[in-house]
Amino acid sequence: DQQVKQNSPSLSVQEGRISILNCDYTNSMFDYFLWYKKYPAEGPTFLISISSIKDKNEDGRFTVFLNKSAKHLSLHIVPSQPGDSAVYFCAASASGNTPLVFGKGTRLSVIA
Amino acid sequence: KAGVTQTPRYLIKTRGQQVTLSCSPISGHRSVSWYQQTPGQGLQFLFEYFSETQRNKGNFPGRFSGRQFSNSRSEMNVSTLELGDSALYLCASSPDRAGYGQPQHFGDGTRLSIL
Repeated sequence: DQQVKQNSPSLSVQEGRISILNCDYTNSMFDYFLWYKKYPAEGPTFLISISSIKDKNEDGRFTVFLNKSAKHLSLHIVPSQPGDSAVYFCAASASGNTPLVFGKGTRLSVIA
Repeated sequence: KAGVTQTPRYLIKTRGQQVTLSCSPISGHRSVSWYQQTPGQGLQFLFEYFSETQRNKGNFPGRFSGRQFSNSRSEMNVSTLELGDSALYLCASSPDRAGYGQPQHFGDGTRLSIL
């Protein structure tokens, strides 16, 4: 049973526009949420995170929004650039020394 | 600062064989976690090692095992390989025990193919 779901396997966006990647989770014990980006033949790279006490976290062009009641989070990239083309993974963990649970990823293509 | 190093990058084995993968974490990082990535299942947690002890284990059969050395380097072993073990195996390190939303730093993985 998937606890972290990224229902869109792929997304195409034009350069300069906003990219919105979505993630849903089922485990109400999750308190921490992270986004990773992965290029082909490379390992995932940490992008941005948010804890359950916040509903928004911003870092440059990247903003993550958390809606705890809906068990939903989203990653906004504004403006999108061709170099943002990659697979994006949503991950979550409960409090304590618990491992990350990953979604299956969304492949973002930013078209020039 | 050197990143997480995984060796080898590619491996081809046949069914029934065993394999050992190696991971050197970022200097000063004491936690090493292993993940399996397949197209159908995404990244799945295998286990975490900290201070040479396994701290957490995912839902994988006993054929998957690991260990950590005193210098924090870690190895993962898979015995009696099956076709379904073909995957990208990723290692991730962090300064302390994984958890509390602490980001982990990933290596580029070992691509294991079973024939």
